[in-house]
Amino acid sequence: GQNIDQPTEMTATEGAIVQINCTYQTSGFNGLFWYQQHAGEAPTFLSYNVLDGLEEKGRFSSFLSRSKGYSYLLLKELQMKDSASYLCAVLDSNYQLIWGAGTKLIIKP
Amino acid sequence: ETGVTQTPRHLVMGMTNKKSLKCEQHLGHNAMYWYKQSAKKPLELMFVYNFKEQTENNSVPSRFSPECPNSSHLFLHLHTLQPEDSALYLCASSQDPTGLNGYTFGSGTRLTVV
Repeated sequence: GQNIDQPTEMTATEGAIVQINCTYQTSGFNGLFWYQQHAGEAPTFLSYNVLDGLEEKGRFSSFLSRSKGYSYLLLKELQMKDSASYLCAVLDSNYQLIWGAGTKLIIKP
Repeated sequence: ETGVTQTPRHLVMGMTNKKSLKCEQHLGHNAMYWYKQSAKKPLELMFVYNFKEQTENNSVPSRFSPECPNSSHLFLHLHTLQPEDSALYLCASSQDPTGLNGYTFGSGTRLTVV
């Protein structure tokens, strides 16, 4: 079966750095997405990786290793507004999105 | 506002009621999706519409009935639901059915079945 694993919850301090990991086992691979979802709001697109390596976008970076079936989302200079759930999703060979259960990130002052 | 609008935001219904969820997008996207989001579980794909044609129905019970009158509007008709159907129902759209350009989600309808 297809599976996406990510930690259920993480806690970090304002101003610090946090890395949210995602491992996947899917039928084929057409890219990996990270979405942010604040409580009661729509998931919003953060990043898309299809090639190995690091993609940087401001305070957020996303890394992919296809050989290891692994990705991480790196958040720097954490702000209170970064408290949210972070969803990892893989586009499989049928272009169907396979979702992880999400990581709830709690930022403390 | 993300470009995908869902109404209502909250809905409480009895098990014998009939209600409908509405989704609207004016992004010019050609694919639309219904997802169910339950606490601490992955998003569950329910239905996919591509150019108004249903292309996916992931073994969803018949008490959920989708309707796509045009490429901008999507409905989810609900009847005789069960308490376990209580969840956040998310609508999403994508430029094309590959989803390579990402999905745009609505804020969802929080459904409670009593």
